[in-house]
Amino acid sequence: KAGVTQTPRYLIKTRGQQVTLSCSPISGHRSVSWYQQTPGQGLQFLFEYFSETQRNKGNFPGRFSGRQFSNSRSEMNVSTLELGDSALYLCASSQGQVFDEQFFGPGTRLTVL
Amino acid sequence: GDSVTQMEGPVTLSEEAFLTINCTYTATGYPSLFWYVQYPGEGLQLLLKATKADDKGSNKGFEATYRKETTSFHLEKGSVQVSDSAVYFCALKEGAQKLVFGQGTRLTINP
Repeated sequence: KAGVTQTPRYLIKTRGQQVTLSCSPISGHRSVSWYQQTPGQGLQFLFEYFSETQRNKGNFPGRFSGRQFSNSRSEMNVSTLELGDSALYLCASSQGQVFDEQFFGPGTRLTVL
Repeated sequence: GDSVTQMEGPVTLSEEAFLTINCTYTATGYPSLFWYVQYPGEGLQLLLKATKADDKGSNKGFEATYRKETTSFHLEKGSVQVSDSAVYFCALKEGAQKLVFGQGTRLTINP
């Protein structure tokens, strides 16, 4: 069974631009969660989507948004990029129940110049 | 809110040494606890988990026991290998599909 895939793996953008990252979950998984990893703040939860609905949200500004499609693939968008948005963005998929394991993708490395 | 505190790194050991990475947590309810490992350039891999008090998670020689009385979930391995070099994250999950992570501990094993 294929794992979680994320595209692109690397991105370079400039301040003020917007960016869209994509995540394809493991087949059959309905939940996709997004995390931001930075050296300063560590790993922080952004949001979770389940069956095309945002089910949980972390403490990030409204510039960070996401969506999920009917095939469970998910995208996250960051508008008006800031230097501090430079990070590794990880997505994780699961079947969505309380004790289900989350499987992580390799991440997208975003650099904002 | 929920939080996880883990041993500051980096940690450097010789091959075959005993490893302990401390992890304590704060939670309002009864969380599930996890250890994840991240190798260079990769995402996170689940190493082990425990879903209730006194559970012991184990995998690849690593072990951790869910201690509710001390709110701890320390990671141990009896004899580390060079291939264990990575960053280790302790995490908790309470209900929702939202993991709360510790700050990570970088482990380097020298041959």
